[in-house]
Amino acid sequence: KAGVTQTPRYLIKTRGQQVTLSCSPISGHRSVSWYQQTPGQGLQFLFEYFSETQRNKGNFPGRFSGRQFSNSRSEMNVSTLELGDSALYLCASSFLQGPPRDEQFFGPGTRLTVL
Amino acid sequence: DQQVKQNSPSLSVQEGRISILNCDYTNSMFDYFLWYKKYPAEGPTFLISISSIKDKNEDGRFTVFLNKSAKHLSLHIVPSQPGDSAVYFCAALNDYKLSFGAGTTVTVRA
Repeated sequence: KAGVTQTPRYLIKTRGQQVTLSCSPISGHRSVSWYQQTPGQGLQFLFEYFSETQRNKGNFPGRFSGRQFSNSRSEMNVSTLELGDSALYLCASSFLQGPPRDEQFFGPGTRLTVL
Repeated sequence: DQQVKQNSPSLSVQEGRISILNCDYTNSMFDYFLWYKKYPAEGPTFLISISSIKDKNEDGRFTVFLNKSAKHLSLHIVPSQPGDSAVYFCAALNDYKLSFGAGTTVTVRA
């Protein structure tokens, strides 16, 4: 069974631009969560989608948005990029809604650098 | 506001010895705790978890201890092996949202 895939793996953008990241969950998984990882901050929860609906949201500004398609693939969009948005963005999928009932499986992440 | 804290950014331990990773949390609403392990260029992978109604959970070489009154949990790895060298994240769950610590980098020396 293929794992969670994220594209692109690396991305360089400049301040003010916008970016879209993609996540393909494990086949059959319906829940997709997004996290931002920065040095010293660990993983910060962005949002979670299930069956094309956002079910949970973290404390991030409205510049961060996402969506999920009918095939469970998810995209995350960041508009008006700031230097502080430079981070590793991780996507995780699970069958229902992640822990504790389901294990979350993480993708390798997309490394975003904002110049 | 960091609700889950791993105050030791790194830990070096000799192969065969015990590795002890610590994690503190501030939110008393957390009801489930997990440890994840992350290798470079890979996403985190689930390691072990514990419910807030328990104080210990063991799985092979890995044991997690929870002290609710102190809002503290720890992960013990015995014996430590070279393949255990990785970043370990502590995470806490409330209302299906996971809050992660900043991670502890473990290096196991031969």
